[in-house]
Amino acid sequence: SYELTQPPSVSVAPGQTATVTCGGTDIGKKNVHWYQQRPGQAPVLVIHYDTDRPSGIPERFSGSNSGNTATLSIRGVEAGDEADYYCQVWDRSSGHGVFGGGTKLTVL
Amino acid sequence: DVLLVESGGRSVQPGMSLRLSCSASGFTFANYGMNWVRQAPGKGLRWVAHVSASGDRTFHADSVKGRFTISRDNAKNAIFLQLTSLTAEDTAVYFCAKNLGGSNSSPFDVWGQGTPVTVSS
Repeated sequence: SYELTQPPSVSVAPGQTATVTCGGTDIGKKNVHWYQQRPGQAPVLVIHYDTDRPSGIPERFSGSNSGNTATLSIRGVEAGDEADYYCQVWDRSSGHGVFGGGTKLTVL
Repeated sequence: DVLLVESGGRSVQPGMSLRLSCSASGFTFANYGMNWVRQAPGKGLRWVAHVSASGDRTFHADSVKGRFTISRDNAKNAIFLQLTSLTAEDTAVYFCAKNLGGSNSSPFDVWGQGTPVTVSS
């Protein structure tokens, strides 16, 4: 089955850029979606189809996808960005949805 | 407003069955695929199942195939998840999530607040 690999944690100072990676075999050929989940809350879609921001998501959030790595970037990180971030794809070969293990973003 | 509200979660003993429901409002329900996603305590998100907009196609994670069944009733704007032969490993918060489009590969753009299921003797 298809697997997505994320670093367990990323730390960044306020105002800096946070980068969260999502690794998978030929992930560049798939559509990658990213979700933010704050403690005790439901996930929120922050990037879809690799690079697109849903309505209401700040321009500070951006995404890219190529080769074996997709990346979520958060420019000018704020305290409110502290959350868990998950990448997700649909694996057509298995007919399954797949999430990465999640990355905890800590704002120092 | 687009809204998803889950219900049916509770504490049960191993081997028992349970039926979860998700009621939708604020959008044309029959046009969108729907999903169940679960999250065990302190763990990450895990996709569980998808049902197509018309209900004619379903997909289930390997870990629940043969034990869980997703379905929908477009007349009632609701989806369901029938859980059987429950084990402690099924303990989780179960979220209902809407696909952005009709395709099963489209992202999950709306989520409910989740309903907790605890399996314990």
